[in-house]
Amino acid sequence: EPEVTQTPSHQVTQMGQEVILRCVPISNHLYFYWYRQILGQKVEFLVSFYNNEISEKSEIFDDQFSVERPDGSNFTLKIRSTKLEDSAMYFCASSAGLATSSTDTQYFGPGTRLTVL
Amino acid sequence: DQQVKQNSPSLSVQEGRISILNCDYTNSMFDYFLWYKKYPAEGPTFLISISSIKDKNEDGRFTVFLNKSAKHLSLHIVPSQPGDSAVYFCAASANGGGFKTIFGAGTRLFVKA
Repeated sequence: EPEVTQTPSHQVTQMGQEVILRCVPISNHLYFYWYRQILGQKVEFLVSFYNNEISEKSEIFDDQFSVERPDGSNFTLKIRSTKLEDSAMYFCASSAGLATSSTDTQYFGPGTRLTVL
Repeated sequence: DQQVKQNSPSLSVQEGRISILNCDYTNSMFDYFLWYKKYPAEGPTFLISISSIKDKNEDGRFTVFLNKSAKHLSLHIVPSQPGDSAVYFCAASANGGGFKTIFGAGTRLFVKA
């Protein structure tokens, strides 16, 4: 069964450093998403990406964040200058279509745990 | 931002009994609702969904009920099994805003053998 994969599983970085979190969505999916979950809190939407551009983003997704689909398979989230409060699990997801029907469900990867020291 | 609320942080149920997880929402633009299940160290896994044109959707042991007038939905699991023990997230999206799915805080379900 196809699945979303994410690397690395755990990333430790110093405050102020740049990090790139990588995701390989399901191959025939067209919509891509990043979410985060701070420990003990809810899963929060960050950004969605379709047709090589950002479709929607939340207030969390400020200028420190960027996304890219550098090739036909990878989807990356970059945080330019990490802050302590960026420590969280970051989940990538992909879907074949918009989340308005059961065929367009978002499938999530296992997550990358980002720890900012 | 509390557009999707799951007011019960945890629920404990005996194996074989019914588990009922509740969710309330405030945004009347939401028209598609989902339940995700999450185990530790894994990403959320889609469980079941319902469109706002329906009031019930059933898939095996899982049934989701939607009460639009009350802006309330619930997930029923019957019979509950120990393997159902996980965190359950309610989520919602709006037509045209289907890109953005808003999650609730989650309810941790414990099913005791």
